[in-house]
Amino acid sequence: NAGVTQTPKFQVLKTGQSMTLQCAQDMNHNSMYWYRQDPGMGLRLIYYSASEGTTDKGEVPNGYNVSRLNKREFSLRLESAAPSQTSVYFCASRAPGLAGGRGPQYFGPGTRLLVL
Amino acid sequence: SQQGEEDPQALSIQEGENATMNCSYKTSINNLQWYRQNSGRGLVHLILIRSNEREKHSGRLRVTLDTSKKSSSLLITASRAADTASYFCATDASGTYKYIFGTGTRLKVLA
Repeated sequence: NAGVTQTPKFQVLKTGQSMTLQCAQDMNHNSMYWYRQDPGMGLRLIYYSASEGTTDKGEVPNGYNVSRLNKREFSLRLESAAPSQTSVYFCASRAPGLAGGRGPQYFGPGTRLLVL
Repeated sequence: SQQGEEDPQALSIQEGENATMNCSYKTSINNLQWYRQNSGRGLVHLILIRSNEREKHSGRLRVTLDTSKKSSSLLITASRAADTASYFCATDASGTYKYIFGTGTRLKVLA
């Protein structure tokens, strides 16, 4: 049981290049999330997927696209990277809570992205 | 803007002392969660408190929630050097699938 895995761990891009960040979870969770974390700030939600086949914008979606490939996998794509997208990216999945409520989120180890 | 705001931003204490950090939020919530983040790592869930609960304990952790004041506190008793980390609150806002994270409290426990 690996929990939430992310690839790659580190990436350096040049402005204008594209890349896809991969995320997978093996906990059979319905909901998955992509966040970015910048120095001195908390996590900001980029996109989320409440269930397989659905995705919704979060707080900072501009410049990103997502794909919920199946229940396990939720990828984040940068079509044309910009220096402002230099950040640490975290993927998370959410466990169900008691009596149909919402439980905690489980996070991956993060992807550190530098855009030059 | 972010809903959760932690206070203080940074806290430095001696090993064995208690550490208290606070979180304020703005809208109705289903639950509030606290997470720990060690340097360079992902967030780890510590404790979840539902909107109809006022206090919850887990080991050396004690969380309180005051929905009338839209605030929560996390108390870590008998702190250890290994508790050195950043702590974030996250609110599960009513009517959404989103969690809103605060900016965090950086805790340093000196041995």
